[in-house]
Amino acid sequence: EPEVTQTPSHQVTQMGQEVILRCVPISNHLYFYWYRQILGQKVEFLVSFYNNEISEKSEIFDDQFSVERPDGSNFTLKIRSTKLEDSAMYFCASSEAWFSYNSPLHFGNGTRLTVT
Amino acid sequence: GQQVMQIPQYQHVQEGEDFTTYCNSSTTLSNIQWYKQRPGGHPVFLIQLVKSGEVKKQKRLTFQFGEAKKNSSLHITATQTTDVGTYFCAGPGGGGATNKLIFGTGTLLAVQP
Repeated sequence: EPEVTQTPSHQVTQMGQEVILRCVPISNHLYFYWYRQILGQKVEFLVSFYNNEISEKSEIFDDQFSVERPDGSNFTLKIRSTKLEDSAMYFCASSEAWFSYNSPLHFGNGTRLTVT
Repeated sequence: GQQVMQIPQYQHVQEGEDFTTYCNSSTTLSNIQWYKQRPGGHPVFLIQLVKSGEVKKQKRLTFQFGEAKKNSSLHITATQTTDVGTYFCAGPGGGGATNKLIFGTGTLLAVQP
């Protein structure tokens, strides 16, 4: 079964550094998402992306965050200047269609970001 | 903003006992999805409910969508150790057309053999 793949699985960075988290969504999917989960807490929406542009974003997704689909397969999340509170598990997800039409989100295994 | 709460936060059962988690939204939902996250894993889609009062079954799991489409429940009959994990409900965030899926607070299920 096709999978969403994320790299790296774990990233350690110093406060103030830039990080790029990478994702390869399922190939025929059109909608892409980033979520984050602070340890033991709920899964929080960051951003959705469709047709090469952001369709929605949360209040968490401020100017320090950006997303890009640099080619036909990768989908990246960049954090420009990391803060301690950015430490979390970041999940990439994709869906074939708009999820309201019975098109579930398929999640990757996540990237654990640790900011020291 | 929209909130999706689940109770209980944590449930510990003996294998073979039943389990139920309840999901409540502050707003009416056009549909609701359920996901399961195993410890150390990622959310995995279980099911979507769309109609008011809808009930769907998957083997030992029964999902229900409330008549007012503001609440939902997941019931597991005769739990097994493989049921361990966190169960999340999720619904569209905000009114109108949205591509934002808001997850509930989750219920962590522990099953003792």
